[in-house]
Amino acid sequence: DAKTTQPPSMDCAEGRAANLPCNHSTISGNEYVYWYRQIHSQGPQYIIHGLKNNETNEMASLIITEDRKSSTLILPHATLRDTAVYYCILYFFGNEKLTFGTGTRLTIIP
Amino acid sequence: GAVVSQHPSWVICKSGTSVKIECRSLDFQATTMFWYRQFPKQSLMLMATSNEGSKATYEQGVEKDKFLINHASLTLSTLTVTSAHPEDSSFYICSALHGQGNTEAFFGQGTRLTVV
Repeated sequence: DAKTTQPPSMDCAEGRAANLPCNHSTISGNEYVYWYRQIHSQGPQYIIHGLKNNETNEMASLIITEDRKSSTLILPHATLRDTAVYYCILYFFGNEKLTFGTGTRLTIIP
Repeated sequence: GAVVSQHPSWVICKSGTSVKIECRSLDFQATTMFWYRQFPKQSLMLMATSNEGSKATYEQGVEKDKFLINHASLTLSTLTVTSAHPEDSSFYICSALHGQGNTEAFFGQGTRLTVV
């Protein structure tokens, strides 16, 4: 069980911010929220992860609600190259296994 | 970031033959690597966890005698699909944990296997 729920698909206009939601209502205290994306026929690419604080890096921002039951990945200025399937994954150290759900297919529209 | 390389990127083989796929961590050592399989328009399914110097741990429903995993060194894990059949045709992806406390999983580019 992936333990996360994501919308199957989303569209976003090029240059706009893409906001990808993820529900993880059964998250446990030691589980991190990880985001990966997979461009067609390639291996997944790490984007960002967080525990309870919001995180930002050169690729994206991660907003985690205070109760940690949901999160949002934000791509601030989407480009056509951001078209991919985005996976929200829960992970805790010690388990080590990354279990993928169905993800969100994000399409950036010119 | 860290680099994980798979070889080959694609392979076509005849039914009944065996195919070996290599997964290498190029700039770091990985005691644990993972093998996934992905069918068209589906998500990645974890097949097994490869542990350096010990036996792999297989997920439920994955035949260990059919998908042989060897992790003989800290930078190389191999997956051998034995007696391949057309239903084994899939995209196979490996990953390795990296970073302090194994905080990030880096993935190979994947291997497209077609069994004819």
